[in-house]
Amino acid sequence: EDKVVQSPLSLVVHEGDTVTLNCSYEVTNFRSLLWYKQEKKAPTFLFMLTSSGIEKKSGRLSSILDKKELSSILNITATQTGDSAIYLCAVSGAGSYQLTFGKGTKLSVIP
Amino acid sequence: EAGVAQSPRYKIIEKRQSVAFWCNPISGHATLYWYQQILGQGPKLLIQFQNNGVVDDSQLPKDRFSAERLKGVDSTLKIQPAKLEDSAVYLCASSLGTGLLSYEQYFGPGTRLTVT
Repeated sequence: EDKVVQSPLSLVVHEGDTVTLNCSYEVTNFRSLLWYKQEKKAPTFLFMLTSSGIEKKSGRLSSILDKKELSSILNITATQTGDSAIYLCAVSGAGSYQLTFGKGTKLSVIP
Repeated sequence: EAGVAQSPRYKIIEKRQSVAFWCNPISGHATLYWYQQILGQGPKLLIQFQNNGVVDDSQLPKDRFSAERLKGVDSTLKIQPAKLEDSAVYLCASSLGTGLLSYEQYFGPGTRLTVT
């Protein structure tokens, strides 16, 4: 059974801080790792990392996949209150496009 | 481009009643997913459709849950009879269904179900 563990489960930082969120996984025939941001209800897609694309960056957000350690990190620099959300990590394997999600990291950014 | 549409947004029912949720995926997306997200947990896949066929429903409690995707577009998820533990947000997602981009799933706003 595929498994995703995220840490920490919650985090409180001040605006302007840099944060690192962690995701470790166990999956049969790894295909991809995805990061989502969930503010109210619908998770919104951030990044997808695969064996051929282990590093992604978009503005203040960046993510790296470590296939050797079976893990990924999501970095957010110069955090803003709008970054407050639950960040979900998910993995896909075995060619079925199904995603197995972790419990998420709840990030709270205070002014 | 319109996103994934879901209705209703909220539903409160008593246990043993039935309820149905509707989802309209992004136009052209062949694959449709229903997830259950219990408070404090990540989404859990219930069922996956490819066009109008079921790819995986291994985690769907088939004694009370059913889903269909007639004509390969819209989908409905039904619970009958509902139990207290079914209280959750039900998320619908869709993806292209072919190639590497299929791993990018786009989610609807969800339906928050409360069973009393």
